Amino acid sequence: SQQGEEDPQALSIQEGENATMNCSYKTSINNLQWYRQNSGRGLVHLILIRSNEREKHSGRLRVTLDTSKKSSSLLITASRAADTASYFCATAFPPSGNTPLVFGKGTRLSVIA
Amino acid sequence: DAGITQSPRHKVTETGTPVTLRCHQTENHRYMYWYRQDPGHGLRLIHYSYGVKDTDKGEVSDGYSVSRSKTEDFLLTLESATSSQTSVYFCAIRRGPTYEQYFGPGTRLTVT
Repeated sequence: SQQGEEDPQALSIQEGENATMNCSYKTSINNLQWYRQNSGRGLVHLILIRSNEREKHSGRLRVTLDTSKKSSSLLITASRAADTASYFCATAFPPSGNTPLVFGKGTRLSVIA
Repeated sequence: DAGITQSPRHKVTETGTPVTLRCHQTENHRYMYWYRQDPGHGLRLIHYSYGVKDTDKGEVSDGYSVSRSKTEDFLLTLESATSSQTSVYFCAIRRGPTYEQYFGPGTRLTVT
């Protein structure tokens, strides 16, 4: 099944630094989504970027999409301890109808105060 | 939280016993999903539903069955639980046409 793969698997940074996570996928998409999961909780939708968009911002989040390279990146600026979580990208292929989202294995981000 | 609840939240059961997990939503969404999450495997789709009595298999459906007799409830059944089904199970709904999903709080199942 088509799946996003996040890179790196784990990332540890100091509070105030920027965190960048990458996602690669295999086939054409309609949109790509990023989710956050705090320990012991369900996933929370962060941001969606459509295939005809190259960059999107939401607060301290910046997502880019390069459909020619089949990759996306999530940048969290000025990170905080509360950003400590796992981050997943998700896509649906084929991008229509009943197709469910397929999630990558996630990047585990630790922000050290 | 999109009005999604899961029950039970924690369960310990013995190998070979049947187990049913319930997902309940209050917003009348058409699409509902069951995932399991295990270390090193991320989130994997078990079954999903695109309407009452309309369901389909996901990536890891063996050993699981589902039922959806009304819009608000999506049940996941392990007919005969095995230790390999020890996991955290998440239910999700899809809201709107852009495939954004919203997740329940999860059920931690331990099969001894």
